[in-house]
Amino acid sequence: DAGITQSPRHKVTETGTPVTLRCHQTENHRYMYWYRQDPGHGLRLIHYSYGVKDTDKGEVSDGYSVSRSKTEDFLLTLESATSSQTSVYFCAISEPLFRPAGSGAGYGYTFGSGTRLTVV
Amino acid sequence: AQKITQTQPGMFVQEKEAVTLDCTYDTSDQSYGLFWYKQPSSGEMIFLIYQGSYDEQNATEGRYSLNFQKARKSANLVISASQLGDSAMYFCAMRDPDNYGQNFVFGPGTRLSVLP
Repeated sequence: DAGITQSPRHKVTETGTPVTLRCHQTENHRYMYWYRQDPGHGLRLIHYSYGVKDTDKGEVSDGYSVSRSKTEDFLLTLESATSSQTSVYFCAISEPLFRPAGSGAGYGYTFGSGTRLTVV
Repeated sequence: AQKITQTQPGMFVQEKEAVTLDCTYDTSDQSYGLFWYKQPSSGEMIFLIYQGSYDEQNATEGRYSLNFQKARKSANLVISASQLGDSAMYFCAMRDPDNYGQNFVFGPGTRLSVLP
């Protein structure tokens, strides 16, 4: 269990306000990711981090910023929320996902429970 | 660029029957990983099964198996003996091990409904 916690679970905010979503992990994973999920698009990468203060952009980074001042916390900020940012946001870490009978493992994503953000 | 295609937006299956969810992928890499995730109505993303590109046998995990056809670039998920609890969204995803940062690409998903 990667021990990933996202907060808040739900949030409604007004257009133009700043919003920060938090992802907290307890197992010292180096890589952390923020995705957004929208109907018909699956999950799309917003930003990712490969260490403290080390971050990079993903496919849909416009309008978002991130920070990682501690290994365990990865913050996603919408500087000025817009209605197009209404979505479900998932945090993820990369860890081995083991197969049975010792047949090996692939590094895959383990996800947080998601944050449903509505911008009105 | 890598791409995942899931051509079935929605599928129906009768309880206790088997169902196949399609996934095709596009990559020029020789080494990659393929994953399936389940997302029930509660919203969490649940890892189901993994197939490495060099695996000689199709992956299996309980009632889930992966029909991996490398030459056709397809990685279909087979669910045997469907249960009502299998009703969910299913996502196919691919990982490029050489691009560790932006290395996961997801398909748009297939919504499976299991009928009693």
